[in-house]
Amino acid sequence: DAGVTQSPTHLIKTRGQQVTLRCSPKSGHDTVSWYQQALGQGPQFIFQYYEEEERQRGNFPDRFSGHQFPNYSSELNVNALLLGDSALYLCASSSSGQLYNEQFFGPGTRLTVL
Amino acid sequence: GDSVTQMEGPVTLSEEAFLTINCTYTATGYPSLFWYVQYPGEGLQLLLKATKADDKGSNKGFEATYRKETTSFHLEKGSVQVSDSAVYFCALRKSSGDKLTFGTGTRLAVRP
Repeated sequence: DAGVTQSPTHLIKTRGQQVTLRCSPKSGHDTVSWYQQALGQGPQFIFQYYEEEERQRGNFPDRFSGHQFPNYSSELNVNALLLGDSALYLCASSSSGQLYNEQFFGPGTRLTVL
Repeated sequence: GDSVTQMEGPVTLSEEAFLTINCTYTATGYPSLFWYVQYPGEGLQLLLKATKADDKGSNKGFEATYRKETTSFHLEKGSVQVSDSAVYFCALRKSSGDKLTFGTGTRLAVRP
């Protein structure tokens, strides 16, 4: 059973560009959450998708947007990249049908903005 | 708002030493509490959790007790190994399905 997978592993972009990161949830999971982890910091919640809709959102600007597909996979899009967007982006999946709804994390995509 | 405070690292110990990593939280209501571990180059793995006051979470020799009176969830292990070297994150969640709020992480280095 594959866990949460993310692509690409690493990405280098320049300021002002746009980027799309992808996540496939663990089998049986229907909810996807995205987190940003800056170097030396804890992960910060960006948003969560369930039933193809954004259900919760953290304190991130509108440059950060997402999408969830019918197969529960998800994309994170960031427009007009800033140097400060350089971070490890983590995807976590969970099942709405489980009592404690544990989140399982992928290995992350490391984004470098030059 | 909700927040988690962890002791700053790095924490450097010799193999077989006793480990304590302090974690306190601020939140309304009765959050669930978690410890996650991040090994070099990897994502986060759930280490243990506790969902209500006085619960003790345990896994792989690590333990943490949910203390509502002191709003704490300190991580302990009686005898660390070199393979325990990683970054440890304390986190809270207000309700099932809700976002996780993380501390800044504590790096542990264990010397042979």
